[in-house]
Amino acid sequence: EAQVTQNPRYLITVTGKKLTVTCSQNMNHEYMSWYRQDPGLGLRQIYYSMNVEVTDKGDVPEGYKVSRKEKRNFPLILESPSPNQTSLYFCASSFPGGGYTFGSGTRLTVV
Amino acid sequence: GESVGLHLPTLSVQEGDNSIINCAYSNSASDYFIWYKQESGKGPQFIIDIRSNMDKRQGQRVTVLLNKTVKHLSLQIAATQPGDSAVYFCAENRGRVGNEKLTFGTGTRLTIIP
Repeated sequence: EAQVTQNPRYLITVTGKKLTVTCSQNMNHEYMSWYRQDPGLGLRQIYYSMNVEVTDKGDVPEGYKVSRKEKRNFPLILESPSPNQTSLYFCASSFPGGGYTFGSGTRLTVV
Repeated sequence: GESVGLHLPTLSVQEGDNSIINCAYSNSASDYFIWYKQESGKGPQFIIDIRSNMDKRQGQRVTVLLNKTVKHLSLQIAATQPGDSAVYFCAENRGRVGNEKLTFGTGTRLTIIP
């Protein structure tokens, strides 16, 4: 089944403890992206990648890192999480010129 | 600043009726638009897209209309069903190359009344 897989689905962590949210797609898509979703603010793009080793900032990149060492994987790294990063995170992928296919989301709580 | 927005945050429609969800955008350079549906507890799901060289595109029970003159996008859902209840987002591409920078509106919650 063609899909974008994120792990974990739910995560509670403490301020300052580094964490990684994994994302993998099996559709051979060039583009991958991370979004966060907050009430009243909709979906905001954190980072995106147009191919292996090609990444760029989205609209809200502060406090996040990404890497794209392989085409299928695009992990999101929070080096020192803070409570304002409590959110619902979505990974997405697409071919150039197409719409993003989204994962099921990761609900992160930072206490 | 430029933004993708929606006219109404909520919409209730009787089952079987048609629904129209509207979206305003202000970036005249945007050339690609998508409607997404998000059900509770799930990620956004692609519904239909349209490029700026088109005014109308139809899918199964859905139609997207693009009016570039007034920078307006709409999603029409025909013969609504209970499964259509969800939050609907419009998104516009602000990427330089392709669709890499999709910017989303805040969403409209559609409720289908049985």
